[in-house]
Amino acid sequence: DAGITQSPRHKVTETGTPVTLRCHQTENHRYMYWYRQDPGHGLRLIHYSYGVKDTDKGEVSDGYSVSRSKTEDFLLTLESATSSQTSVYFCATGTASNQPQHFGDGTRLSIL
Amino acid sequence: ELKVEQNPLFLSMQEGKNYTIYCNYSTTSDRLYWYRQDPGKSLESLFVLLSNGAVKQEGRLMASLDTKARLSTLHITAAVHDLSATYFCAVLTGTASKLTFGTGTRLQVTL
Repeated sequence: DAGITQSPRHKVTETGTPVTLRCHQTENHRYMYWYRQDPGHGLRLIHYSYGVKDTDKGEVSDGYSVSRSKTEDFLLTLESATSSQTSVYFCATGTASNQPQHFGDGTRLSIL
Repeated sequence: ELKVEQNPLFLSMQEGKNYTIYCNYSTTSDRLYWYRQDPGKSLESLFVLLSNGAVKQEGRLMASLDTKARLSTLHITAAVHDLSATYFCAVLTGTASKLTFGTGTRLQVTL
């Protein structure tokens, strides 16, 4: 277990409001990832980070931004939430070795 | 763009039966992972397959990788109810240890 904490675990908000999800890890893993999980789509990568202040886009990055100011923290921001961003969001960490990514417990986000 | 397809998407099977879940991917990769997810929970790593011909077994589950065919299988032997979950395969994609996930196979084992 990579010691990953996601917050909040649940959030309900309104269309057009900004939302920030937080991911905190205690294992000093280099890579961090944000995924969204939707029925019929599996997990899709939103953004990832390969070091402090080093981030890049994933498969479904439109409408999302990220920041990583410290090794242990990776923030996902929805600048102006839309109903299509209602989903379960997972944070994961990884290393350059062959070890699998470790996942947090997820954040269930509902946008009304 | 790497595509990862799993089939079946849903599998209902009786306890004691055997079955196989298939994971096909579209471009070359030599690292594949299997995960399990229980409803409302996080993803748990099951297997890491690192080379062509790799086979890993844990209890009633056995995973294999054929990189030439771009195919991985997850075989279930004598299924039990506790194996009911959604199973995902994921393929290493490019740099930064990124993964591309399949859509998942929801397994329901009935008594």
